[in-house]
Amino acid sequence: GQNIDQPTEMTATEGAIVQINCTYQTSGFNGLFWYQQHAGEAPTFLSYNVLDGLEEKGRFSSFLSRSKGYSYLLLKELQMKDSASYLCAPRDSNYQLIWGAGTKLIIKP
Amino acid sequence: IAGITQAPTSQILAAGRRMTLRCTQDMRHNAMYWYRQDLGLGLRLIHYSNTAGTTGKGEVPDGYSVSRANTDDFPLTLASAVPSQTSVYFCASSAGEDTGELFFGEGSRLTVL
Repeated sequence: GQNIDQPTEMTATEGAIVQINCTYQTSGFNGLFWYQQHAGEAPTFLSYNVLDGLEEKGRFSSFLSRSKGYSYLLLKELQMKDSASYLCAPRDSNYQLIWGAGTKLIIKP
Repeated sequence: IAGITQAPTSQILAAGRRMTLRCTQDMRHNAMYWYRQDLGLGLRLIHYSNTAGTTGKGEVPDGYSVSRANTDDFPLTLASAVPSQTSVYFCASSAGEDTGELFFGEGSRLTVL
């Protein structure tokens, strides 16, 4: 079956760095996406990895290891506005996104 | 501003009633999707359309129907609503079925009593 595993909730301090991990099992693989979703709002695209390695985009970076079925999202210089849920979504052989339940990130001053 | 518009934003509905959630996009995207999001669960795909005139079933299609008469519109219909269909519904689009980034509407919160 297809499965996504990511922590339910994490807490971090403003200005710090946090890493949100995601492990996945899918039928085939065609890339992995990370989305951000603020409470009561729609998900918005953060990053996309299709090859192994690190993709950096400003304060956010995403890493992929296809052989391990593993990805992480790294957030640097945390700001209060980064308080949100972060959704890991690998894409299967049918190009359908399989969504994790998300990690709720709480940022404290 | 280009994007996806959903209506209504919120609705309370009696069980057994028929309801259509509307979704319109102005980005000329080929692929459109309907998801439901429930607390503690990931987004679940209800129905999708890879191009105008075609539709497909997702993970949880029962009790829902869709149509795609043109590129811009992708309505979702609940023929006879049941309380288990209480959820937040998101419409999304992408340029193509194998092009990644999804653009989401703001969501429709539906409560079935």
